[in-house]
Amino acid sequence: GEDVEQSLFLSVREGDSSVINCTYTDSSSTYLYWYKQEPGAGLQLLTYIFSNMDMKQDQRLTVLLNKKDKHLSLRIADTQTGDSAIYFCAETSGATNKLIFGTGTLLAVQP
Amino acid sequence: GAGVSQTPSNKVTEKGKYVELRCDPISGHTALYWYRQSLGQGPEFLIYFQGTGAADDSGLPNDRFFAVRPEGSVSTLKIQRTERGDSAVYLCASSVDRVTGELFFGEGSRLTVL
Repeated sequence: GEDVEQSLFLSVREGDSSVINCTYTDSSSTYLYWYKQEPGAGLQLLTYIFSNMDMKQDQRLTVLLNKKDKHLSLRIADTQTGDSAIYFCAETSGATNKLIFGTGTLLAVQP
Repeated sequence: GAGVSQTPSNKVTEKGKYVELRCDPISGHTALYWYRQSLGQGPEFLIYFQGTGAADDSGLPNDRFFAVRPEGSVSTLKIQRTERGDSAVYLCASSVDRVTGELFFGEGSRLTVL
């Protein structure tokens, strides 16, 4: 079945790089996504990658996709305290391309 | 409005009662999704509308849950005979681009069943 796994928690110091990892199951996913959820706010799309790409860079964000291992990662360079949030990866699934979300990784940035 | 609007933002009800949650999507977005997020979990898919019709309702947990979108815009999620396990944040999202799947989420309706 559909299952997207993430580690629950990551703590980094301000200025360091953060790497959040995700494994997914649906090899037919067309796109894979990273969403950010801050306290009291709605989910916000950070970035997405098409399944035929290995890497996508967008300012401080780098997404790496290993399709063979069904592994997705999000690297945040020069992590700031404002990056503290829960990060969800998501895959598209089925004929309707509905999004299936992972369990989320809480990123805590220490000043 | 500029974003997805959900009402009420908070709803407290008693076990066994009927609840309606409303979602007003971004104007022009034909796709509308309902998700449920329990504490410490990721959003769980419930139902997807394309226009007025439910294109995928495979995530609805049982027949106490029902959703409508009669005019292809506003949607209402209806929960009958609420149970304590229904307590969660119910998220609505809309999308104009089904191919890339970029969803715009509302802030959610927090439902507490006592």
